[in-house]
Amino acid sequence: QSALTQPASVSGSPGQSITISCTGSTNDVGNYNLVSWYQQHPGKAPKVMIYEVTKRPSGVSDRFSGSKSGNTASLTISGLQAEDEADYYCCSYAGSYSFSLFGGGTKVTVL
Amino acid sequence: QVQLQESGPGLVRPSETLSLTCTVSGGSVSSGTYYWSWIRQPPGQGLEWVGYLFYSGITNYNPSLKSRVSMSVDTSKNQFSLKLNSVTAADTAIYYCASYHYVSGTYMFWGQGTLITVSS
Repeated sequence: QSALTQPASVSGSPGQSITISCTGSTNDVGNYNLVSWYQQHPGKAPKVMIYEVTKRPSGVSDRFSGSKSGNTASLTISGLQAEDEADYYCCSYAGSYSFSLFGGGTKVTVL
Repeated sequence: QVQLQESGPGLVRPSETLSLTCTVSGGSVSSGTYYWSWIRQPPGQGLEWVGYLFYSGITNYNPSLKSRVSMSVDTSKNQFSLKLNSVTAADTAIYYCASYHYVSGTYMFWGQGTLITVSS
C-alpha cells in the first residue's frame, strides 16, 4: 500500500500559521481515528506531537493542533517559531495487514 | 518513562543478515501496553514501518519485507530483536526501535536510532 501523501515543503514567517495536509484513503485515514503526527529535527528521532487525530501529549505546545476531514488529516502550527523548523510526518493505522502507513514527510521552513 | 536503545553492527555485507537489538528501560517488554516496533529511515528519506511484536510472541511484518524479516523478544534481558536477511544496499537506513501504544495508535517512545550501512 502506498504511503500517505504530504506536501514536500511548507514555509511561513514567525508568528504565522501553517497547515500540513496528509491524504490517504478509505483504508487508512478515512476509516480510523488513529492518525498521529511526528516532528523530526535533523539527526534526531521523531517525536509525537499529535495522536488520535486531535490529541496532544503532555508537554507539547498548544500551538500544534490536528484535524481530519474524510481521507485527509491536517496538522496546523500557529504562532510559528524558529524552533518549529523541522520535518513532520503523519502516520495512520491501516488495518492489520498494512498496519502503519507514514506520509513522505513535510519540511517546514521558518522564513 | 520508557527509554529504548538500539545496538547493532553498523556495517553489513550484501546478502548477509542484519541483526539489531533494542534494550528497554523504564518499562517492561512484558507489558501488554505496547507493540514493540521497528521503523527505518533511508538517508534523506521518509519513515517506513518494518514490523512489530507483542510480548506474547505475536508478530506482524511489513508485507514488502515479510519474507526476509523476523523479530523476537527476550524478557529476561528486557530486549527485543530484529533480523533482516539477504540485505541489499536498499536496506541501508537508520533503524529505530519504538513502542507503539496500540490503543491510541501512537509511537510513544523512540530509540535514538542506529545507522546500518549495507556495503561490501
